[in-house]
Amino acid sequence: GEDVEQSLFLSVREGDSSVINCTYTDSSSTYLYWYKQEPGAGLQLLTYIFSNMDMKQDQRLTVLLNKKDKHLSLRIADTQTGDSAIYFCAPGLGNQGGKLIFGQGTELSVKP
Amino acid sequence: GAVVSQHPSRVICKSGTSVKIECRSLDFQATTMFWYRQFPKQSLMLMATSNEGSKATYEQGVEKDKFLINHASLTLSTLTVTSAHPEDSSFYICSARGGGGGTDTQYFGPGTRLTVL
Repeated sequence: GEDVEQSLFLSVREGDSSVINCTYTDSSSTYLYWYKQEPGAGLQLLTYIFSNMDMKQDQRLTVLLNKKDKHLSLRIADTQTGDSAIYFCAPGLGNQGGKLIFGQGTELSVKP
Repeated sequence: GAVVSQHPSRVICKSGTSVKIECRSLDFQATTMFWYRQFPKQSLMLMATSNEGSKATYEQGVEKDKFLINHASLTLSTLTVTSAHPEDSSFYICSARGGGGGTDTQYFGPGTRLTVL
């Protein structure tokens, strides 16, 4: 089946940039999403990128997509302690009614 | 915009009882809603896809008679866990598709923590 891989943990210092990486297998994804989950909460949509784009910037967030290598990354500039959470990469499964496939999530820890 | 609510946020019940969880899209119409289950420190597992006015589509391995889904309107889907047992204890999250941002964009509810004693 389709698969999404993310590293499980990332630790950065406050003010540094964070880069969370994701690789996926479904080549038909049209939209690829990044969600943030804080403890005990649902998922918050952070940003998404359309598959014909290489990069999308939205304030402190930059998404890079390498469609050939099926690699997606999320860069958070000037990381703050409030950014500590679990981040999920979620490519949309093409032709499957809007389903998303989720990686295991990357737990980002921001140290003061 | 694109707010999804869930009710209740937390429920504790005795083994053998049934529990209903509501998922509402508050400011947009959602033709499709999804139900997920999440175990601690793990990813989301899609349980079923719920389309307004039709039967839900369940993922492989999910018992449809155990997890009853109803999507009676464009803003409401319900998940009923029937005859709940301790192994059904989990965090249940719904999402609704729509509200702009792309045809596949799912907006998630805050989740419902179910504990079965």
